[in-house]
Amino acid sequence: QQQVRQSPQSLTVWEGETAILNCSYEDSTFDYFPWYRLFPGESPALLIAIRPVSNKKEDGRFTIFFNKREKKLSLHITDSQPGDSATYFCAAKNTGNYKYVFGAGTRLKVIA
Amino acid sequence: GGIITQTPKFLIGQEGQKLTLKCQQNFNHDTMYWYRQDSGKGLRLIYYSITENDLQKGDLSEGYDASREKKSSFSLTVTSAQKNEMAVFLCASRPGQGSAEQFFGPGTRLTVL
Repeated sequence: QQQVRQSPQSLTVWEGETAILNCSYEDSTFDYFPWYRLFPGESPALLIAIRPVSNKKEDGRFTIFFNKREKKLSLHITDSQPGDSATYFCAAKNTGNYKYVFGAGTRLKVIA
Repeated sequence: GGIITQTPKFLIGQEGQKLTLKCQQNFNHDTMYWYRQDSGKGLRLIYYSITENDLQKGDLSEGYDASREKKSSFSLTVTSAQKNEMAVFLCASRPGQGSAEQFFGPGTRLTVL
């Protein structure tokens, strides 16, 4: 049972374009959604996170759009740079539970 | 600031062998986690520990044991390594219920011959 799904599995965009990474979930009790970025050879690091009290969270070129009714969220990376090339994981958790559920990841490649 | 260290960085074992992976954190975090990362499958939770001497099974605990004897360390044992198994094992920690952010270690890459 995969509670958090990500699409596409891989994505290639040109430098300067907006990359859109999608995530959906099943458990309506999830109330914290972090995105982690993993560069090859490094460990995952928190990029940006959102709670359902908001439908949008912005941090520089990174924006999360959240649709609670449809249980979907997306990460938009504007003005994509080759240095953004990495694997991006969407995760979910609910308050009071220590467990995080991760999606399978989207491998992003930005071509100069 | 703090750091999470995992040892060894690379681990090569034989089929049926018992293998132990270690994780240390100096954040003074309460909660620690062990994840397995396989290509195309994201991170899957093996074990987690809310505090010292606590152990909780994750979705992938079969074939693994864990130990949290000190607040700063969390060990994972592969009880019987499977041939052709190859994965990265990631340790993570977080302060406690007040903060949801996890911090990850650099990983241990396991290869079973």
